[in-house]
Amino acid sequence: GAGVSQSPSNKVTEKGKDVELRCDPISGHTALYWYRQSLGQGLEFLIYFQGNSAPDKSGLPSDRFSAERTGGSVSTLTIQRTQQEDSAVYLCASSPGGAGGDTQYFGPGTRLTVL
Amino acid sequence: GENVEQHPSTLSVQEGDSAVIKCTYSDSASNYFPWYKQELGKRPQLIIDIRSNVGEKKDQRIAVTLNKTAKHFSLHITETQPEDSAVYFCASRGNYGQNFVFGPGTRLSVLP
Repeated sequence: GAGVSQSPSNKVTEKGKDVELRCDPISGHTALYWYRQSLGQGLEFLIYFQGNSAPDKSGLPSDRFSAERTGGSVSTLTIQRTQQEDSAVYLCASSPGGAGGDTQYFGPGTRLTVL
Repeated sequence: GENVEQHPSTLSVQEGDSAVIKCTYSDSASNYFPWYKQELGKRPQLIIDIRSNVGEKKDQRIAVTLNKTAKHFSLHITETQPEDSAVYFCASRGNYGQNFVFGPGTRLSVLP
């Protein structure tokens, strides 16, 4: 079946603009994660959604970052007033969750460049 | 919160040799430890995982061992091949929040 998809694949924006990144998880997966990966670095956890529970926002670096997940499926990560240090690849992952297991399946990522 | 360390940061081996990457974690309640392989420009992909009730797991040339007492787990790749060259990430799922904490990664180069 279809894997995790993300859009856009690349986004170039100017400092101070807002951006929205989209993640379509695997159908039926209840858990959804957002990570940030700077060039040559590891994966930095941002936010985690599990079913209808309140999301774990503990990884969001500032109040300029927010995310929502509508209808338990598609998720959008919004970065307001972008800064150059926000430039990175933003990865989304989903997993079945609960008794379905916790293997994460990653999307291809969105490469964000803030000029 | 959970902290995951990973060593070495870079590793070069000759084709056919073995490679070992080690990770340590801080939260004794962590219960799930996956390993991911990320090739250049591609997404991370799960290669093997282990749960806290198991000490070792093997899948062909890849194995993972877990020492809960010492809070460390290791990835073992035998008979390495050039296509094993990639960055490998370990991760730990802590009991708090159920999110994953990743190690900083190991860049493995298999020299032909």
